[in-house]
Amino acid sequence: AQKVTQAQTEISVVEKEDVTLDCVYETRDTTYYLFWYKQPPSGELVFLIRRNSFDEQNEISGRYSWNFQKSTSSFNFTITASQVVDSAVYFCALTNTGNQFYFGTGTSLTVIP
Amino acid sequence: KAGVTQTPRYLIKTRGQQVTLSCSPISGHRSVSWYQQTPGQGLQFLFEYFSETQRNKGNFPGRFSGRQFSNSRSEMNVSTLELGDSALYLCASTLRAGRMNTEAFFGQGTRLTVV
Repeated sequence: AQKVTQAQTEISVVEKEDVTLDCVYETRDTTYYLFWYKQPPSGELVFLIRRNSFDEQNEISGRYSWNFQKSTSSFNFTITASQVVDSAVYFCALTNTGNQFYFGTGTSLTVIP
Repeated sequence: KAGVTQTPRYLIKTRGQQVTLSCSPISGHRSVSWYQQTPGQGLQFLFEYFSETQRNKGNFPGRFSGRQFSNSRSEMNVSTLELGDSALYLCASTLRAGRMNTEAFFGQGTRLTVV
């Protein structure tokens, strides 16, 4: 069975601080894909990044970076120099070769000006 | 290019009624999936359609159904509404099903309130 755990329910940081959102996943599949989505108050899930199980290369994109470690089944997401506009709920998700996503419960991030 | 369009954005229905929600995927995308989001259960998969065929179904009662048209637009229907059906219903559009070589794009959702 597939499962995604986001242990952090709510996080508050002061603007310009760095923040890391944790994601731990479970799957028996050898081929799978991991995602991070951002959900602002408008409701739409905004795609941030996709990683497949064969690509453990970490990535930096502007203020965002991701740390994928198969050995610990983790796919953590870091925002450096946080901004008020980063306030949202962030979801980690897992899928195998299909289009059924398994989402974590989300982490609500509040950036305080 | 236009994103995923869900209509209506907001809906209020009475218990026992039925409701139909619509999703127009991104042009060229042939796979549409539906998710229910509630504070208690989070985001849960309802079903997925590709080429007018349901390919996968989540653990929801038969009151929840869907279909996909030849232009890839999809509708989901909930009959005999219950208070617990109040939720944000999100539709996801992907280029193809089977091989996950692209991300899923989500619409803004339809917020259904059952009173």
